[in-house]
Amino acid sequence: GEDVEQSLFLSVREGDSSVINCTYTDSSSTYLYWYKQEPGAGLQLLTYIFSNMDMKQDQRLTVLLNKKDKHLSLRIADTQTGDSAIYFCAEKKDSSASKIIFGSGTRLSIRP
Amino acid sequence: DARVTQTPRHKVTEMGQEVTMRCQPILGHNTVFWYRQTMMQGLELLAYFRNRAPLDDSGMPKDRFSAEMPDATLATLKIQPSEPRDSAVYFCASGLAGANYNEQFFGPGTRLTVL
Repeated sequence: GEDVEQSLFLSVREGDSSVINCTYTDSSSTYLYWYKQEPGAGLQLLTYIFSNMDMKQDQRLTVLLNKKDKHLSLRIADTQTGDSAIYFCAEKKDSSASKIIFGSGTRLSIRP
Repeated sequence: DARVTQTPRHKVTEMGQEVTMRCQPILGHNTVFWYRQTMMQGLELLAYFRNRAPLDDSGMPKDRFSAEMPDATLATLKIQPSEPRDSAVYFCASGLAGANYNEQFFGPGTRLTVL
């Protein structure tokens, strides 16, 4: 997904916070998403944020949206081994369309 | 427990053979998406349908790939003839157009290996 960019790898120590960053190009995007893919499985929606919000918190997850810079981040507090996965940032460009554009995914690995 | 199902889960075939992958979307969902995932290209959208009509198949190589929805409970993706470069994991996802945040529900994928 050339429209949505994210770094490919992130390694953090167990118990630390993980921050996964993403940039997107379309300022008219209505929804932005974080999907999680565990080994051998399909993607699963982790959380989403509507474009008129700056922040969304859900237990250990915090999503920050900077519309001016077209920057989205996902923070995972107290990272656990079960958080090891690939995290995909995605945007929904058109309010009338169904498709969403995925980034290339960030592989999060946890060090003991 | 509603979920998207895909068959087969694994397929190994020889170059030149026809491959058919099947997907059963979640009952009631009216959008279906086909994605391909490889290490090199990441996740690519191949085609998607709304109410069984193809809306966008621009990501699909037309000469060998075809996608159809014979009915609301079945989506198929065919490759004929298959080539080694088609080796990838193919995901089907379904969703409900017009729903609040348009979540897509992914199946477990079909891992295709073309020798």
